[in-house]
Amino acid sequence: GQSLEQPSEVTAVEGAIVQINCTYQTSGFYGLSWYQQHDGGAPTFLSYNGLDGLEETGRFSSFLSRSDSYGYLLLQELQMKDSASYFCAVKRTGGFKTIFGAGTRLFVKA
Amino acid sequence: GAVVSQHPSWVICKSGTSVKIECRSLDFQATTMFWYRQFPKQSLMLMATSNEGSKATYEQGVEKDKFLINHASLTLSTLTVTSAHPEDSSFYICSHSTGTKYNEQFFGPGTRLTVL
Repeated sequence: GQSLEQPSEVTAVEGAIVQINCTYQTSGFYGLSWYQQHDGGAPTFLSYNGLDGLEETGRFSSFLSRSDSYGYLLLQELQMKDSASYFCAVKRTGGFKTIFGAGTRLFVKA
Repeated sequence: GAVVSQHPSWVICKSGTSVKIECRSLDFQATTMFWYRQFPKQSLMLMATSNEGSKATYEQGVEKDKFLINHASLTLSTLTVTSAHPEDSSFYICSHSTGTKYNEQFFGPGTRLTVL
């Protein structure tokens, strides 16, 4: 089977840094992605890790450790507009399907 | 990034009717598209992989006779919810990947289906 675990909710203040962790269990692991989704909207791509290490894209960074089946998304200089749901997602080999975690709702407070 | 459109954006129908949802890749020829379903405040559940010119591949537990998928061209995939019932009410989203090194998927805006 396959599973992804991430915290259901995180709350932080504007300007702070927050880390959203994701652990996964799956066969045919290809890479780990992160998506952001605002209420009522479609998911948008944030970051992808195919190899171990840190990927940085502006205020967002993502990390992967394949040996630990673990990754995280780091959001810096939080802004109110970052309040949304964040999904980690495993891309699998054999069809390259992407399976999503349950999502983490981030609340950014003033 | 790639642009994906869906039509309609929302639909309300009576129980027992069929509803067709279109997913178009506007600037990319997608041999593969993915259909997801999302219930309120829940995750995206992969329903099926739509393959251009061949049969769709359904995930375990998804009824292929209820959710008919047709991928007749490189830019259009359709999902038909047949004999819809209230429990089929959900947010249906399609996506495709452009195959770049980032393996990002581009999602359509989604279709909210409400079955009365």
